[in-house]
Amino acid sequence: DAGVIQSPRHEVTEMGQEVTLRCKPISGHDYLFWYRQTMMRGLELLIYFNNNVPIDDSGMPEDRFSAKMPNASFSTLKIQPSEPRDSAVYFCASSRQGGGYTFGSGTRLTVV
Amino acid sequence: SQQGEEDPQALSIQEGENATMNCSYKTSINNLQWYRQNSGRGLVHLILIRSNEREKHSGRLRVTLDTSKKSSSLLITASRAADTASYFCAMGLQGGSEKLVFGKGTKLTVNP
Repeated sequence: DAGVIQSPRHEVTEMGQEVTLRCKPISGHDYLFWYRQTMMRGLELLIYFNNNVPIDDSGMPEDRFSAKMPNASFSTLKIQPSEPRDSAVYFCASSRQGGGYTFGSGTRLTVV
Repeated sequence: SQQGEEDPQALSIQEGENATMNCSYKTSINNLQWYRQNSGRGLVHLILIRSNEREKHSGRLRVTLDTSKKSSSLLITASRAADTASYFCAMGLQGGSEKLVFGKGTKLTVNP
């Protein structure tokens, strides 16, 4: 397995633009997580899915953020409109129940 | 806050020495996990210890858990320059949730 695959690796966008981050989890993992990492706040859980169903989205900052998982092999995190304070590294991770997470390499988002 | 606290925030040692990192947390847990993050990369799962376990080993890693003190430690023996990374503890909370709450990490530098 190639691991958790995220795209793009880097994204630079202007304030107000829509940003879409993509994730392909490991086959057979039934949990998928989106985290955001900044120097100030560390790693924050945004949302997680179980069997493609959102379970906990309490970490999603505001309505500008949305996440979907249309099938077991694909998830997106969308920010619309983007703001400079959204600049961070966004990680996707997947796991089996009770197991450790496998993280992707992350998407470094810069909003100017 | 449910977040864990790692101690120290930064640690610099010589190759061959042992490195000990500590993690304290505030809530009740199901398990505690340790992850490593190399600069610019995703997190890598190192070890998981369940709440009914006191000690676990994996290669040069030794993890202890004291649920009465709500603390854990990660010991890396005979450190190598390649161990240079940030190390995070992550709490798996009681209550059936699969989400992990991460600490802010310890930045370990192993000097050759």
